[in-house]
Amino acid sequence: EVQLVESGGGLVQPGRSLRLSCAASGFTFDDYAMHWVRQAPGKGLEWVSGINWNGDNIGYVDSVKGRFTTSRDNAKNSLFLQMNSLRAEDTAFYYCARSFTSTWQVLKFDYWGQGILVTVST
Amino acid sequence: DIQMTQSPSSLSASVGDRVTITCQASQDISKYLNWYQQKPGKAPKLLIYDAANLRTGVPSRFSGSGSGTDFTFTISSLQAEDIATYYCQQYDNLPIAFGQGTRLEIK
Repeated sequence: EVQLVESGGGLVQPGRSLRLSCAASGFTFDDYAMHWVRQAPGKGLEWVSGINWNGDNIGYVDSVKGRFTTSRDNAKNSLFLQMNSLRAEDTAFYYCARSFTSTWQVLKFDYWGQGILVTVST
Repeated sequence: DIQMTQSPSSLSASVGDRVTITCQASQDISKYLNWYQQKPGKAPKLLIYDAANLRTGVPSRFSGSGSGTDFTFTISSLQAEDIATYYCQQYDNLPIAFGQGTRLEIK
């Protein structure tokens, strides 16, 4: 059974940093690209970032470029999102999601984690 | 950027009803459209990919159609467990875009 479990969320002050992790199991992790998608409370969905199977190609939505960094450790079946210079508008549930294919540019998400809340506030 | 206009934003229907949701893209996206179901407090779940392909394991009462700019998502016979918010999502061009969602309720 495919499982994606996010961790690392919480309350953080504006301008500070936070690192999210996603532990994957039930599938061959390095066969697939992975993504982060977020959802502000009560709002719609926004794709944040995607990373190829081997980490050599990564994409970001414009609003997080230069502040967020996505990485993966295939040996540990883990996906990461380093979030720096956080803003109030980054407050959201963050989901990790598996791509259909090994390349992040095919943006179809077939499995999702349960999500983790990041709150940016004083 | 491609804009996705999903309608209606909310919908109330009875068990057994046929339910239709539409999604219109601001430009041609070919078949690159997916539909997701999100139940309250849960993660989204992929139902339909590439406009009309039913994901394995998804009940056959769900279907999708369309290409270009106009797409339709249909539940042929609404069940109580279908209560959720449904989102379309284009991936023809970056940035990808989700529709604003359709909240489906039981009448």
